[in-house]
Amino acid sequence: EPEVTQTPSHQVTQMGQEVILRCVPISNHLYFYWYRQILGQKVEFLVSFYNNEISEKSEIFDDQFSVERPDGSNFTLKIRSTKLEDSAMYFCASSSGRVLYEQYFGPGTRLTVT
Amino acid sequence: RKEVEQDPGPFNVPEGATVAFNCTYSNSASQSFFWYRQDCRKEPKLLMSVYSSGNEDGRFTAQLNRASQYISLLIRDSKLSDSATYLCVVNTGGGTSYGKLTFGQGTILTVHP
Repeated sequence: EPEVTQTPSHQVTQMGQEVILRCVPISNHLYFYWYRQILGQKVEFLVSFYNNEISEKSEIFDDQFSVERPDGSNFTLKIRSTKLEDSAMYFCASSSGRVLYEQYFGPGTRLTVT
Repeated sequence: RKEVEQDPGPFNVPEGATVAFNCTYSNSASQSFFWYRQDCRKEPKLLMSVYSSGNEDGRFTAQLNRASQYISLLIRDSKLSDSATYLCVVNTGGGTSYGKLTFGQGTILTVHP
């Protein structure tokens, strides 16, 4: 069964450093998303991406965040200058756009900012 | 009012029990609704989409009441493997968002022998 994959599974970085989280969505999917979950809290939407552009972003997704689809398979989330409060699990999701935009999530990248 | 509100539980039930979870949402323009399950420190996994007429998938039944802005999930004949956090999820995106999911806090279910 096709699945979303993410790398790395765990990233530790120092405050102020740039990080890039990588995702490979399901191959025939056209819609891509990033969510995050701070430990003990609910899953929060960050951004949706379609046709090589952002279609919607949340208040969390400020100028420090960017997304890119650099090739036909990868989808990345970059945080330019990490803060302590960016520590969270980051989930990538993808959707074919059929059936109510059902979204399938990757296993996540745990980001720890020290 | 929270966008998606669930009773956090926990629900502790014996194997074989029937358990029901409820959820309310605030945005009356929401178009699609889902139940996901999340195991500890894992990703949300789609359990089922919720259709206006209600739908069933094996031991799981989901209902939607648009007038009351209420969604439910019924699990029959609970198994130990059903132990997880159940997430009520609403697509609150508008226009061209192509699916902005808003999650509830989740309801914790523990099924014991």
